[in-house]
Amino acid sequence: AQSVAQPEDQVNVAEGNPLTVKCTYSVSGNPYLFWYVQYPNRGLQFLLKYITGDNLVKGSYGFEAEFNKSQTSFHLKKPSALVSDSALYFCAVRGPNNNAGNMLTFGGGTRLMVKP
Amino acid sequence: KAGVTQTPRYLIKTRGQQVTLSCSPISGHRSVSWYQQTPGQGLQFLFEYFSETQRNKGNFPGRFSGRQFSNSRSEMNVSTLELGDSALYLCASSLGRQGASGSPLHFGNGTRLTVT
Repeated sequence: AQSVAQPEDQVNVAEGNPLTVKCTYSVSGNPYLFWYVQYPNRGLQFLLKYITGDNLVKGSYGFEAEFNKSQTSFHLKKPSALVSDSALYFCAVRGPNNNAGNMLTFGGGTRLMVKP
Repeated sequence: KAGVTQTPRYLIKTRGQQVTLSCSPISGHRSVSWYQQTPGQGLQFLFEYFSETQRNKGNFPGRFSGRQFSNSRSEMNVSTLELGDSALYLCASSLGRQGASGSPLHFGNGTRLTVT
């Protein structure tokens, strides 16, 4: 069975500094990986995905993620954090088979706090 | 283009009752998925519908059911409510099934169900 781990419950960063939100995964076969963000009392918003191709994926709002197959990681990054980036971030993997469709397994989430 | 619409936004029910939640996907989207979000269990996949057929089902008891109509709108039903069913129920729509098209999930703002 597939799984996703987000080892940090919360990440604190100062505005203007780079940020990293960590994600590791376990899945049989080629991984389809996603990052979503959730603001208070809202649903999830899609940020970016890795299906195949370049290991560095660029997404919405200046976010990017680096796929590392050997470390089974898919860390979310942004060069310069904004206070408005403060939210709950979820990493997800599609699985467990080729018929998985839109069945995603989510990590537990990481709360990002950006302080002025 | 209107986003995913979920109704009602909030719901309070008593143990033993049943409840029906509604989801209208983005126009043109044929896939609808449902997820349950709780503080303890996080985000868990309930089921996915595509072209009025259930394509995948998560590990939930038979009290949880759903359906999709010919216009792609979907409903989910929970019978014999338990206190543990209190959660945010999120609906997500997609053009296709991610495995085939890679199209991302677009989430609604959810229905917050409280069981007393």
